Amino acid sequence: GQSLEQPSEVTAVEGAIVQINCTYQTSGFYGLSWYQQHDGGAPTFLSYNALDGLEETGRFSSFLSRSDSYGYLLLQELQMKDSASYFCEVNYGGSQGNLIFGKGTKLSVKP
Amino acid sequence: GAVVSQHPSRVICKSGTSVKIECRSLDFQATTMFWYRQFPKQSLMLMATSNEGSKATYEQGVEKDKFLINHASLTLSTLTVTSAHPEDSSFYICSARVAGVVPQHFGDGTRLSIL
Repeated sequence: GQSLEQPSEVTAVEGAIVQINCTYQTSGFYGLSWYQQHDGGAPTFLSYNALDGLEETGRFSSFLSRSDSYGYLLLQELQMKDSASYFCEVNYGGSQGNLIFGKGTKLSVKP
Repeated sequence: GAVVSQHPSRVICKSGTSVKIECRSLDFQATTMFWYRQFPKQSLMLMATSNEGSKATYEQGVEKDKFLINHASLTLSTLTVTSAHPEDSSFYICSARVAGVVPQHFGDGTRLSIL
């Protein structure tokens, strides 16, 4: 079967850097995505990695190592508004669209 | 950007009622739509994956006779919660995507309260 693991909770202070890890075991791999969800809201897309390496978008970066079946989301210069749940998603079926989702990591940013 | 409309945003109804939730992709054709459920302070839980013109694939533990999913066109999927009970009260979210294209586009969710 397919599986995906990420920590359930992370706490950090404003201005700090936090890394949210995601490890996966899937029958195939086409890409890893990250989404952010604030309480009561819908998830929004943050980033996507199909190839190894780091993708940077402002304060957020996402990293992928396919050989390690591992990726992470890096949030820099944390702000209170970054308090949210973050979940990773792996596409293991290509155009067939087979996806597996993490259970989400709840990030709490403290003053 | 791609827009997914989910309707209604909130439903309050009596136990035993069936409730239909619609999910529409407004400006793209969605080959796949997903339905999620989220209980308070918990993560999104995938309920089912729906491909246009075929039967939905349900996740383990999700009753297919309880949660009826129809994906009749490339722009519309519906979730019907049949004979809803208080334990079905939850936040239901749909998403849509084009096969092989990232990312998923999420609707704003439906907050279902069964009295």
